[in-house]
Amino acid sequence: KQEVTQIPAALSVPEGENLVLNCSFTDSAIYNLQWFRQDPGKGLTSLLLIQSSQREQTSGRLNASLDKSSGRSTLYIAASQPGDSATYLCAVNAGGTSYGKLTFGQGTILTVHP
Amino acid sequence: EAGVVQSPRYKIIEKKQPVAFWCNPISGHNTLYWYLQNLGQGPELLIRYENEEAVDDSQLPKDRFSAERLKGVDSTLKIQPAELGDSAVYLCASSLPGTDTQYFGPGTRLTVL
Repeated sequence: KQEVTQIPAALSVPEGENLVLNCSFTDSAIYNLQWFRQDPGKGLTSLLLIQSSQREQTSGRLNASLDKSSGRSTLYIAASQPGDSATYLCAVNAGGTSYGKLTFGQGTILTVHP
Repeated sequence: EAGVVQSPRYKIIEKKQPVAFWCNPISGHNTLYWYLQNLGQGPELLIRYENEEAVDDSQLPKDRFSAERLKGVDSTLKIQPAELGDSAVYLCASSLPGTDTQYFGPGTRLTVL
């Protein structure tokens, strides 16, 4: 059974810092991995999706990397802003007969203070 | 373009009562998902629909939970009877055929007293 773990559980940084969120998964046979953002009382917003054949994806100040063989992904946020404060979740898609079934980590709560 | 719509946003009921949640996916999205999110945890898939067919309901507690997606568009998730442990946020998501990105609704927060 796939298990996804995110470290740290919570992170508080001053505005302007670069930061890294970590995600690890136990079964390397994945189809893709996604990073989501969740604001309080709201649904999830997809940030980046990395296919199993890819090593990284970038969108603006966000960069996500994937090392499938070691079961790890990182989300790098450059020059953090207070508006980045949210919960960040990673999710793996096993593919095959389980295609579309996302297994989520418990999330990292990020607070960026001015 | 409107996103995934869910109603109600909040629901408070007493245990043993029935409750239903409604989801309207993004137009054209044939795949629909229901997730359960407990406080401080990531969402867990309950059921996945391709059009009107439930293709993965292995995580749905069928003794008290049921779902339907008539006509392959809107979907309803029902709990009968509700238990205290069902208090959580119920999220609906949808995706286009052949694509990987799931779009989530705001969720329904259920409190069972």
